[in-house]
Amino acid sequence: DAGVIQSPRHEVTEMGQEVTLRCKPISGHDYLFWYRQTMMRGLELLIYFNNNVPIDDSGMPEDRFSAKMPNASFSTLKIQPSEPRDSAVYFCASSRTGTGVEKLFFGSGTQLSVL
Amino acid sequence: AQKVTQAQTEISVVEKEDVTLDCVYETRDTTYYLFWYKQPPSGELVFLIRRNSFDEQNEISGRYSWNFQKSTSSFNFTITASQVVDSAVYFCALSGETGTASKLTFGTGTRLQVTL
Repeated sequence: DAGVIQSPRHEVTEMGQEVTLRCKPISGHDYLFWYRQTMMRGLELLIYFNNNVPIDDSGMPEDRFSAKMPNASFSTLKIQPSEPRDSAVYFCASSRTGTGVEKLFFGSGTQLSVL
Repeated sequence: AQKVTQAQTEISVVEKEDVTLDCVYETRDTTYYLFWYKQPPSGELVFLIRRNSFDEQNEISGRYSWNFQKSTSSFNFTITASQVVDSAVYFCALSGETGTASKLTFGTGTRLQVTL
């Protein structure tokens, strides 16, 4: 079975541009998570979905960030307008359930550089 | 509030040496789960092990072993006879009974460099 698939692997953009990151979770997983990894703050949870519905977006840093999950096999994280401080690695992860015992399956991440 | 501390930022060893990565956690939950994830240079995070708070048995998987001690709130990870392929960043993580996987708290990671 394919793992979590993220695209693009690398994104370089200029400040002010819109950036869209994409994620395909593992089939049958009901939970999808977006994380951001930076040197300063480590791994931070931005938002998660259960059955395509956003459950907790308290980690989304600003209104410039938005996430959608139109169906069970696709999610996007959008930044508009992007800023240099958004430069980070963005990970998508999925899990079968949302219980504390559940392990997460991570994608390879998107390395975002905002110039 | 939950907290995971990985005091070792970076460790460098020579191949075949044993190495232990420390993880100390804080939680008020009586039921909780501890995890280790590996992040190789390719970037993705890979699940290594999960332990629940009621199971203090140490676990061994090949060259990897984990020592869970509730008395010291530690969940340390040992690699025996390290290999270059073990070079990665290792994250310890914690989730609680009242939370969900969404409340997974990660440590800051320990970068392990294994050289020939």
